[in-house]
Amino acid sequence: RKEVEQDPGPFNVPEGATVAFNCTYSNSASQSFFWYRQDCRKEPKLLMSVYSSGNEDGRFTAQLNRASQYISLLIRDSKLSDSATYLCVVKDNNAGNMLTFGGGTRLMVKP
Amino acid sequence: EAQVTQNPRYLITVTGKKLTVTCSQNMNHEYMSWYRQDPGLGLRQIYYSMNVEVTDKGDVPEGYKVSRKEKRNFPLILESPSPNQTSLYFCASSSDSGRVANEQFFGPGTRLTVL
Repeated sequence: RKEVEQDPGPFNVPEGATVAFNCTYSNSASQSFFWYRQDCRKEPKLLMSVYSSGNEDGRFTAQLNRASQYISLLIRDSKLSDSATYLCVVKDNNAGNMLTFGGGTRLMVKP
Repeated sequence: EAQVTQNPRYLITVTGKKLTVTCSQNMNHEYMSWYRQDPGLGLRQIYYSMNVEVTDKGDVPEGYKVSRKEKRNFPLILESPSPNQTSLYFCASSSDSGRVANEQFFGPGTRLTVL
């Protein structure tokens, strides 16, 4: 079983749609959580951190459920430029700065 | 401009021919790391370094070496490359290795093909 699991997609949605991605992690000692975005053939870039109380950044909302070991990302009013792969990332703070990446979920926003 | 650079960006080589992929960051970050990315397997950590002269194995260290003689540089060495090391490699750095993770900055990637 992978430590961080994501549905690989692709999720094909029209512009303006709301789309949600989920991610589950197996290491109960994980303490920090992130969503990274990766464009085709490019490097990953931090989209947002995920806090216990949930957090929002513009059209993006991240939620964390520690009891279920589950993280989500909601994108509202999808734009063509949101097309990318979204990587769920967890960190065990007791293991230095080592990040564990999910396989990513591919999103394609169509006109 | 704050950045992580990698060289070369693309490399085609043959089995057994030693190669080095360089990584350099100009942000005075303590922590640096190497990942490989393969279809269906995602990003997997090869080696990481918490500071100068401190390196440790990640999830997939076999067939790789690293060194951290200076804070800014973290080269990845393949002493005897094999075809199963064909992959997309990313170097990353971040500050403050001990506490809650800060953002990891990734280099642009090195696409390696071993024939």
